Amino acid sequence: AQSVAQPEDQVNVAEGNPLTVKCTYSVSGNPYLFWYVQYPNRGLQFLLKYITGDNLVKGSYGFEAEFNKSQTSFHLKKPSALVSDSALYFCAVRPEYSGAGSYQLTFGKGTKLSVIP
Amino acid sequence: DAGVIQSPRHEVTEMGQEVTLRCKPISGHDYLFWYRQTMMRGLELLIYFNNNVPIDDSGMPEDRFSAKMPNASFSTLKIQPSEPRDSAVYFCASSPGLAGYSYEQYFGPGTRLTVT
Repeated sequence: AQSVAQPEDQVNVAEGNPLTVKCTYSVSGNPYLFWYVQYPNRGLQFLLKYITGDNLVKGSYGFEAEFNKSQTSFHLKKPSALVSDSALYFCAVRPEYSGAGSYQLTFGKGTKLSVIP
Repeated sequence: DAGVIQSPRHEVTEMGQEVTLRCKPISGHDYLFWYRQTMMRGLELLIYFNNNVPIDDSGMPEDRFSAKMPNASFSTLKIQPSEPRDSAVYFCASSPGLAGYSYEQYFGPGTRLTVT
C-alpha cells in the first residue's frame, strides 16, 4: 500500500525568504506525485505534479518541487514566500497505472504554511 | 467549465436525521471521488466511481454511508442515520479517465456537515 509522510505539521517563514515543505512517499513501482493547496474554507487546488521526465517540476504561483527517487522525496519549494502563500499544503501519491483500481490518490496529513510579514 | 459543484455548502442536522450531499462533476470526467476531511484523520477517500460504477468503497466507514452515481453528471453521498462523529467537510472530486491517467483530480468547494 502507498503512503505519504509530511513530517512537519507547521512551517513558519518570513515573507521574502525561501520556503520548503517536505514530503516523502512509499509506493510500489514508479510514483505519480502531486501537490495541492487548500485555503481556508475552500477545496483543494492543484499546484503541480511529477509524472516522468525532469526531476524539477514547476507549477502554479511560482512553486516548484524536486523529485528525488533515491530519497523517495518530493519537496515543495518557492524562492520567495508571499503572505498570500499562507495555507494548508498536501502532498499526494499514486502508483503507475495498473488498472482502474490504481486511480486512488493517497494524501499526506497536510502542512500548515504561515508566511510572516 | 464551472468546475466541480457541490451542494449544500453547509448542512446542520440533528443526530438520527438523514443527510444527502450532492455533487456534479466536471463534464467529460470519467472518475468521481468522495473524500472526508477532519482534523483528527485528515483527508480520507470514501469511495470512487468510474463511468458511474463504484470501483472501491473500502473507505466508507459503515453501513450508514451510501453513495450513488445514477448518471455521469450527478452523484450523492447519503448518511442515514447521521451521528455527531460524522461532522466533517465532505469533498467531491473528478478526474479524466484512462487516457488522462496522469491528470490531477479537481476538487469541489466541499460541504461542511455538522451533526448535533
